[in-house]
Amino acid sequence: AQKVTQAQTEISVVEKEDVTLDCVYETRDTTYYLFWYKQPPSGELVFLIRRNSFDEQNEISGRYSWNFQKSTSSFNFTITASQVVDSAVYFCALSEQNRDDKIIFGKGTRLHILP
Amino acid sequence: SAVISQKPSRDICQRGTSLTIQCQVDSQVTMMFWYRQQPGQSLTLIATANQGSEATYESGFVIDKFPISRPNLTFSTLTVSNMSPEDSSIYLCSVEAGVGNEQFFGPGTRLTVL
Repeated sequence: AQKVTQAQTEISVVEKEDVTLDCVYETRDTTYYLFWYKQPPSGELVFLIRRNSFDEQNEISGRYSWNFQKSTSSFNFTITASQVVDSAVYFCALSEQNRDDKIIFGKGTRLHILP
Repeated sequence: SAVISQKPSRDICQRGTSLTIQCQVDSQVTMMFWYRQQPGQSLTLIATANQGSEATYESGFVIDKFPISRPNLTFSTLTVSNMSPEDSSIYLCSVEAGVGNEQFFGPGTRLTVL
């Protein structure tokens, strides 16, 4: 079975605070890919990151960082010094190589950054 | 990366009619995907469309309701047939492209069925 769980439905933080969005996944495959996408109020889906299952190195991109831990099947996303423009719905997603890279999305976490 | 456009960007349709959504990519891609995002929900894969073959539908989606065309490597259409209010959603096409085979999404077509 293939499954992505984002337990946090909605989060509100005050601007400049750090916030971590949790993602737990489930797969039987050894080769898979994990993604994060951002969907701002305008509706478009913005690609943030793709990580393959063999690369557990954490990644930092500006104020964004991702913590991939295979031992706990988690791929968490942290925004440092949050800004109002970070307000959006964030989706974690999973694809398996032997399923033609079809992406399965989590239910998303709605993030509100309060000024 | 890939630049994806969709037409129409939004539409309001009457129950029982059909709407065809177009997806155009600025580069040749092998696989194109169609997703649906119902209001306040996550994205659900409808089907995978490869050029030169029949689309592959996910559980819960059938060709009669969502016929798909893929005439070439840069274009695809999704038709939502015999629409009902439950079909009101955002429909997004997606392609795999780039060095790392990232999946990119079009801007979506926001459909409202009255």
